[in-house]
Amino acid sequence: KAGVTQTPRYLIKTRGQQVTLSCSPISGHRSVSWYQQTPGQGLQFLFEYFSETQRNKGNFPGRFSGRQFSNSRSEMNVSTLELGDSALYLCASSPLAGRIEQYFGPGTRLTVT
Amino acid sequence: AQSVAQPEDQVNVAEGNPLTVKCTYSVSGNPYLFWYVQYPNRGLQFLLKYITGDNLVKGSYGFEAEFNKSQTSFHLKKPSALVSDSALYFCAVSEGDTDKLIFGTGTRLQVFP
Repeated sequence: KAGVTQTPRYLIKTRGQQVTLSCSPISGHRSVSWYQQTPGQGLQFLFEYFSETQRNKGNFPGRFSGRQFSNSRSEMNVSTLELGDSALYLCASSPLAGRIEQYFGPGTRLTVT
Repeated sequence: AQSVAQPEDQVNVAEGNPLTVKCTYSVSGNPYLFWYVQYPNRGLQFLLKYITGDNLVKGSYGFEAEFNKSQTSFHLKKPSALVSDSALYFCAVSEGDTDKLIFGTGTRLQVFP
């Protein structure tokens, strides 16, 4: 089975632009979560989606948004990019939500200049 | 609010010696605890979890963890360390029946030959 895939792997954007990151979960997985990883703040939860519904949202400003499609693929969008948004964005999937392990993708490295 | 703490930024151990990476947690209700490992430029890989049952949990690559309710700890252990175990280790707790993970700050394990 193919693992979680994230595209693009690397991205450089300018402050004020917007960006869309994509995540394809493992086939059959219905739950997708997103995390932001930075040296200063560590791993922080962004969103959790299950069957196209957002179940949880982390403490991020409204510039961060996401969605999940009927095939379980997910996208997250960051508008009006700030320098502090530079991070590794990780996507994870699981067959069901809760109490079971999640499988992480390799991440998208976003650099904002 | 749920939280986990990893008191050591780095743990150094000689190859062949036992290793312990510490984690303490603070949750309301039953804890669902996880350990993940991250190799350079990679996403996170699941090692093991505690949901309920035996306090000693066995996981991937020879790792195990001991759940201690009275000390609110979930330390990761391995009887004999390998140089290839050198990586960043994260302890995490989930919030109920969701995939929202709260991560610790991570512990860098360095195994010296």
